[in-house]
Amino acid sequence: DAGITQSPRHKVTETGTPVTLRCHQTENHRYMYWYRQDPGHGLRLIHYSYGVKDTDKGEVSDGYSVSRSKTEDFLLTLESATSSQTSVYFCAISEARGRSEAFFGQGTRLTVV
Amino acid sequence: AQTVTQSQPEMSVQEAETVTLSCTYDTSESDYYLFWYKQPPSRQMILVIRQEAYKQQNATENRFSVNFQKAAKSFSLKISDSQLGDAAMYFCAYRSALSGNTPLVFGKGTRLSVIA
Repeated sequence: DAGITQSPRHKVTETGTPVTLRCHQTENHRYMYWYRQDPGHGLRLIHYSYGVKDTDKGEVSDGYSVSRSKTEDFLLTLESATSSQTSVYFCAISEARGRSEAFFGQGTRLTVV
Repeated sequence: AQTVTQSQPEMSVQEAETVTLSCTYDTSESDYYLFWYKQPPSRQMILVIRQEAYKQQNATENRFSVNFQKAAKSFSLKISDSQLGDAAMYFCAYRSALSGNTPLVFGKGTRLSVIA
């Protein structure tokens, strides 16, 4: 299994508070992604990174920011959590070429009350 | 932008029978990858099968096979001899091969139930 660890695995937070989710990989893969999964919507891309300090927005990036200061870590921050951000968040990694599939972390269930 | 459509929100199959999950996609590109992922109740995303668009031969992995119709932009997953452990959400996904940093685009998923 690919070495991807998400933390925390579960979190309950209050509306308006900042929240940071962490993704840590031991595979030295260049690309890292944050997706959110909601019933009826599948997985939707929030942000992704194609290298240290190189990031780009996905289709549902409003209200989220990311940072990648080193290859192995990709942080997702909700600046001021809202109830609409209650979701399951997945981190994924992939190599540039070759196999091209994404490997996923275990997911983080975030509840904003 | 590419889109992936899974038209069957839910499917069911009898144990030991065969089931086919549908997936269509929209793209103007000629080089890309297609994937099926399985998500059991544990929530873990597991790669089931992968297809390169430049390969005409349909991919097969044990009881799982695909019917890849490039002209029709269709990529269905066939599960043979269904087992109780096949019960899960299945996601179809697309990734462009033109650039290394293109993320996967997912469909909304099909929930498969297996009836004993």
